[in-house]
Amino acid sequence: RKEVEQDPGPFNVPEGATVAFNCTYSNSASQSFFWYRQDCRKEPKLLMSVYSSGNEDGRFTAQLNRASQYISLLIRDSKLSDSATYLCVVNMNSGYSTLTFGKGTMLLVSP
Amino acid sequence: NAGVTQTPKFRILKIGQSMTLQCTQDMNHNYMYWYRQDPGMGLKLIYYSVGAGITDKGEVPNGYNVSRSTTEDFPLRLELAAPSQTSVYFCASSLQRGTSVSRTDTQYFGPGTRLTVL
Repeated sequence: RKEVEQDPGPFNVPEGATVAFNCTYSNSASQSFFWYRQDCRKEPKLLMSVYSSGNEDGRFTAQLNRASQYISLLIRDSKLSDSATYLCVVNMNSGYSTLTFGKGTMLLVSP
Repeated sequence: NAGVTQTPKFRILKIGQSMTLQCTQDMNHNYMYWYRQDPGMGLKLIYYSVGAGITDKGEVPNGYNVSRSTTEDFPLRLELAAPSQTSVYFCASSLQRGTSVSRTDTQYFGPGTRLTVL
């Protein structure tokens, strides 16, 4: 099983749509989870951390399911500016000081 | 603050040449990282450093070397460049308070260096 697995997409949605991405991770001992955003030919930037109880930041909602080892990101009311690749990122081991990045899911929002 | 800066932005190397990719951060972060990103692939960790004078290998260290003589600088050295090292290289830094990554430990990335080895 790959360490951090994501559907590469692309997900093509119209403006205003709601879209959800999932990500699965292989190590049940993982403790820290993030979603990063990467625009074309740019560096990754933190979108949000993922808390055990789930968390929301404006139009973005992140959920963690430890039992099934997956993380989700929900984007409501999609904007053209949301078009990007969304990277699922996991601290693979408790006590481990580095992160493992998924390959990313591409989102294309059209007018 | 400039954040994380990387030079050069682009470089073309011939097989067998060597070069150093520069990375500097002005946020007084203790952790610094080097990643490579190949097309359609996730970021792969090359090397990382938890502080000045301390470095450790990541997932794909072969063909690279690093040093960390100051908190601010973390250069990546390529010796004997090979076509397989054609990639986009990202440097990142973070302020990590514990020995493991917590959900508050944001990594800040530089703009990247696009390297082609022909």
